[in-house]
Amino acid sequence: EVQLVESGGVLVKPGGSLRLSCTASGFTFSNAWMSWVRQAPGKGLEWVGRIKSRTDGGTTDYAAPVKGRFTISRDDSKNTLYLQMNSLKTEDTAVYHCTTEAKSGTSFWINYWGQGTLVTVSS
Amino acid sequence: SYELTQPPSVSVSPGQTARITCSGDALPKKYVYWYQQKSGQAPVLVMYEDSKRPSGIPERFSGSSSGTMATLTISGAQVEDEADYYCYSTDSSKGVFGGGTKLTVL
Repeated sequence: EVQLVESGGVLVKPGGSLRLSCTASGFTFSNAWMSWVRQAPGKGLEWVGRIKSRTDGGTTDYAAPVKGRFTISRDDSKNTLYLQMNSLKTEDTAVYHCTTEAKSGTSFWINYWGQGTLVTVSS
Repeated sequence: SYELTQPPSVSVSPGQTARITCSGDALPKKYVYWYQQKSGQAPVLVMYEDSKRPSGIPERFSGSSSGTMATLTISGAQVEDEADYYCYSTDSSKGVFGGGTKLTVL
């Protein structure tokens, strides 16, 4: 059974930094493309970014609102995904979900979700 | 930036057919995926590659796509289908969600 467990969400002041972690189990983490999706309170889903598997280059992609402020990384030896968030803004307040991405040809989609961890950015 | 547009809400009575649309300029060239999110829960994939149903998803769920519009259809909607539904596709190397549609079944 695939399990994704996020941690690290807290209350942080605007301009601050925070690192989220996601511990994965039930699949071969090193082969997986992993991503983060967030959901602001009462709002819709927003794709944040992705990191490919090392065999696929290990490269990252980010949504425009977080590019340059957020960094996704992975430690395959620990089956753990990270989201480093810097220069946080109030609009970054959201539940952050760790997800796995499936791919087929040039298509990719989210197939498993963690329950999420809440990040609150407020003074 | 690329956008997917959904109606904010759809309402049907139990047993009726619910149709939720998703429009986007790139949809003729890209697959659409649909997620169901019930209150307080993580989303669940209910349709992939426009019209394929994952195992465990009831047969009353179906999907289609034509031109710039994709549609998720729930034939004979049940009270338990009440949820928020999101379409998802890709723009270059990035994922994009629609704004979500709240389906009310009552």
